[in-house]
Amino acid sequence: AQSVAQPEDQVNVAEGNPLTVKCTYSVSGNPYLFWYVQYPNRGLQFLLKYITGDNLVKGSYGFEAEFNKSQTSFHLKKPSALVSDSALYFCAVRRAYSSASKIIFGSGTRLSIRP
Amino acid sequence: GAVVSQHPSWVICKSGTSVKIECRSLDFQATTMFWYRQFPKQSLMLMATSNEGSKATYEQGVEKDKFLINHASLTLSTLTVTSAHPEDSSFYICSARDRTSVNTDTQYFGPGTRLTVL
Repeated sequence: AQSVAQPEDQVNVAEGNPLTVKCTYSVSGNPYLFWYVQYPNRGLQFLLKYITGDNLVKGSYGFEAEFNKSQTSFHLKKPSALVSDSALYFCAVRRAYSSASKIIFGSGTRLSIRP
Repeated sequence: GAVVSQHPSWVICKSGTSVKIECRSLDFQATTMFWYRQFPKQSLMLMATSNEGSKATYEQGVEKDKFLINHASLTLSTLTVTSAHPEDSSFYICSARDRTSVNTDTQYFGPGTRLTVL
C-alpha cells in the first residue's frame, strides 16, 4: 500500500529565510513523487515532480525538492521564502511504471511566511 | 499549457436537488480524469476515476448512484450530485491526466467547485 506523511501541520518562517516542508513516503517499488500547492478556495497547482534521474528536482517559483531513497523522503525547500509562498502544500506519491496506480496525497502542510 | 477548468466555481442549492459540475481540459486531451472531495483543512479524498468512453471506477465508500460521473469526450467529464443533502456540501476538485504523459502521471487540477446544500 502507498502512503504519504507530512509530519507538520504548519510551518512558520520569516520572509527571506530558507524553508523546508517535510514529506516521507511508503510505496512498493520505485516512487513517482510530486509537490502541489493550494491557495485558498483554489485547486492544486503542480510545483515539481521526481520521476528518475537527479535526486535534486527544481520546480516552479524557486522551489526544489530532494529525493532521498534511503530515508524515503522528498522534502520541499526554498532558499529564501516570500510572503506570497504562504499556502497549503501537498506531497503526493504514485508507484512508478504503473498507470493504474493512484496518486496518494499527504495531509497537507500550511506554510506561513511572516514579513 | 495544461489548463483544467471547472464550472461552476461555486453553487448553492436546496436539499433534494441535483447539481452538475463540469471539468474540462482546455489545451490537452485527457483519457483519464479524477474527482476529489476536500473537507475544510483536510487533504483530497479521491472519489472516482473517470475514463473516456467507459464507466467510472469509484473508491470504496463512494456511492455511484449518488455521484454520477460521465466522461463523454477526451476533454470533458461531469460529476452530478443527485438528490443533494447538506452533508454533500464540500469542495469538489477534478484533475486530468495528459494522455501523452500516462506513465509519468502528472495530474493537472481544476480550480475546484464549492457546493453548499441548504
